[in-house]
Amino acid sequence: QKEVEQDPGPLSVPEGAIVSLNCTYSNSAFQYFMWYRQYSRKGPELLMYTYSSGNKEDGRFTAQVDKSSKYISLFIRDSQPSDSATYLCAFGAQKLVFGQGTRLTINP
Amino acid sequence: DGGITQSPKYLFRKEGQNVTLSCEQNLNHDAMYWYRQDPGQGLRLIYYSQIVNDFQKGDIAEGYSVSREKKESFPLTVTSAQKNPTAFYLCASSMILSWVGEAFFGQGTRLTVV
Repeated sequence: QKEVEQDPGPLSVPEGAIVSLNCTYSNSAFQYFMWYRQYSRKGPELLMYTYSSGNKEDGRFTAQVDKSSKYISLFIRDSQPSDSATYLCAFGAQKLVFGQGTRLTINP
Repeated sequence: DGGITQSPKYLFRKEGQNVTLSCEQNLNHDAMYWYRQDPGQGLRLIYYSQIVNDFQKGDIAEGYSVSREKKESFPLTVTSAQKNPTAFYLCASSMILSWVGEAFFGQGTRLTVV
């Protein structure tokens, strides 16, 4: 079983839609939960991170963690064409483990 | 402006050649990392360094080598022993060794074997 599972997509939605991106994990030792955004041919940039179950909000972005189900989500409200990118979940313990990334396109 | 600079942006390697990827940071960070990114596989850790003159193998170190002679520099050599080197290589740094996502990434080097 993979430590992290992330649907690679691609996911295409119209501008203004609510986007839901998800990852599941199997390693109970993971203590930190992160979302990165990566534009084409660029390095990833950290969007959000949290270490507890529940929701964390930052502008149009909400990160949700459910440790009991080993499931994390990223919600994007009022999606914009500039949100088009690959989104990677990542998990921290004794190392950083990344999901494979979901390619997202927001259509004007 | 502070940041991480990777060079070159694109690199072509012939079979059997060693190539070196450059990574320089002016953030005064102690920790530096090298990741490899392949389609459908996310990022995988090759090597990391906590301080000057010290580095540790990551999950896929075979066929790679690094050095950390200066705080600001962490070059990666892809040797001929690496059988499938075509990939996107990312360098990152953080103030201290951290697995909580506080690392800043460079813009990457795309290596292609020809």
